[in-house]
Amino acid sequence: ETGVTQTPRHLVMGMTNKKSLKCEQHLGHNAMYWYKQSAKKPLELMFVYSLEERVENNSVPSRFSPECPNSSHLFLHLHTLQPEDSALYLCASSQETSGSGTGELFFGEGSRLTVL
Amino acid sequence: AQSVTQPDIHITVSEGASLELRCNYSYGATPYLFWYVQSPGQGLQLLLKYFSGDTLVQGIKGFEAEFKRSQSSFNLRKPSVHWSDAAEYFCAVVYSGYALNFGKGTSLLVTP
Repeated sequence: ETGVTQTPRHLVMGMTNKKSLKCEQHLGHNAMYWYKQSAKKPLELMFVYSLEERVENNSVPSRFSPECPNSSHLFLHLHTLQPEDSALYLCASSQETSGSGTGELFFGEGSRLTVL
Repeated sequence: AQSVTQPDIHITVSEGASLELRCNYSYGATPYLFWYVQSPGQGLQLLLKYFSGDTLVQGIKGFEAEFKRSQSSFNLRKPSVHWSDAAEYFCAVVYSGYALNFGKGTSLLVTP
């Protein structure tokens, strides 16, 4: 138990569906992250939120839409995805903000997404 | 940009044998370096980290890593591997003061 909970653990969706991934952290951290983990590729940073403001968006297609309503919750809204978007989506949190961080991340167990 | 390279995609060791996983980084200043482990179906768990000071850092599960500035390396070691150590291992470096840049990972297989 890392203190970061992701739901659902598994999701299968068609290319025309709209779904959301949810992440909740119980660690009192200030920053939250979405990473994408595909087979045979490094983990790709998608989004970073610090104190509920998006501070990084790594050229992610607009079919992925993040939302951070408070420092404990992070969502990834999905719509009109492509089969190549199938991957493990990992949420993480950390204590630091404002670029002063040491980068120690606490990860959830991930949401395995399959796009048909 | 800061990056890490893990030269070995797969490593196989016998149970009880020693282990060394390689990691090289590219960074201008003193980096913050990490090793994470990912068991099948799980998220990533921090094994150890290096920020400054003693170049030999101890982590959980009997792992250690040594920071060598002259070689731009941060190799992970364990003197005696257990079957439960079979997993994917990731080296990472801080990126933009927030998030981490990860290497591609090294998959460890432990044989009886």
